[in-house]
Amino acid sequence: DAGVIQSPRHEVTEMGQEVTLRCKPISGHNSLFWYRQTMMRGLELLIYFNNNVPIDDSGMPEDRFSAKMPNASFSTLKIQPSEPRDSAVYFCASTMGDTQYFGPGTRLTVL
Amino acid sequence: QKEVEQNSGPLSVPEGAIASLNCTYSDRVSQSFFWYRQYSGKSPELIMSIYSNGDKEDGRFTAQLNKASQYVSLLIRDSQPSDSATYLCAVNFGNDMRFGAGTRLTVKP
Repeated sequence: DAGVIQSPRHEVTEMGQEVTLRCKPISGHNSLFWYRQTMMRGLELLIYFNNNVPIDDSGMPEDRFSAKMPNASFSTLKIQPSEPRDSAVYFCASTMGDTQYFGPGTRLTVL
Repeated sequence: QKEVEQNSGPLSVPEGAIASLNCTYSDRVSQSFFWYRQYSGKSPELIMSIYSNGDKEDGRFTAQLNKASQYVSLLIRDSQPSDSATYLCAVNFGNDMRFGAGTRLTVKP
């Protein structure tokens, strides 16, 4: 299995632009998590899905952030409009049972 | 408030020593506990999971869980320079996985 796939791996954009991060979970995994990691705040859970349904989005920082999971093999995290404070590494992780498998992350820089 | 707390470190040990990493959590309704290792610039990778009180050993790693004290630890025996990384404690609060801030470990040759 290829593992969790994320794209792009790096994204540099200007403040105010829309950013879309993509994730393909491991086939057969029924839960998907989006995290954000910064030096200051560590690894923060943004939202998670169970069987494609959003379960808890209380970690989404504000309305500028949205996430979708239209099917079992694809999820997106969108930031519109982006701000410099959104700069971070965004990880997607998929889960079978308790074990989470992380993707390689997307390093986002908002100028 | 669900919280997972770790000593941020940094923790430095000489090669061959035992490294001890600690974690406390705030919610009693937690059934599964994990230790992840994260090398600089990489994603977290699972190294240990533990579900019941006591010790669980896997090679040089031992996880210890005490639910009454809401405490989980990771011991690394015969530490190697390749163990230098940030170690993240994670607690599953009913499919809501929460991570500690991580402890940075440096193993000096």
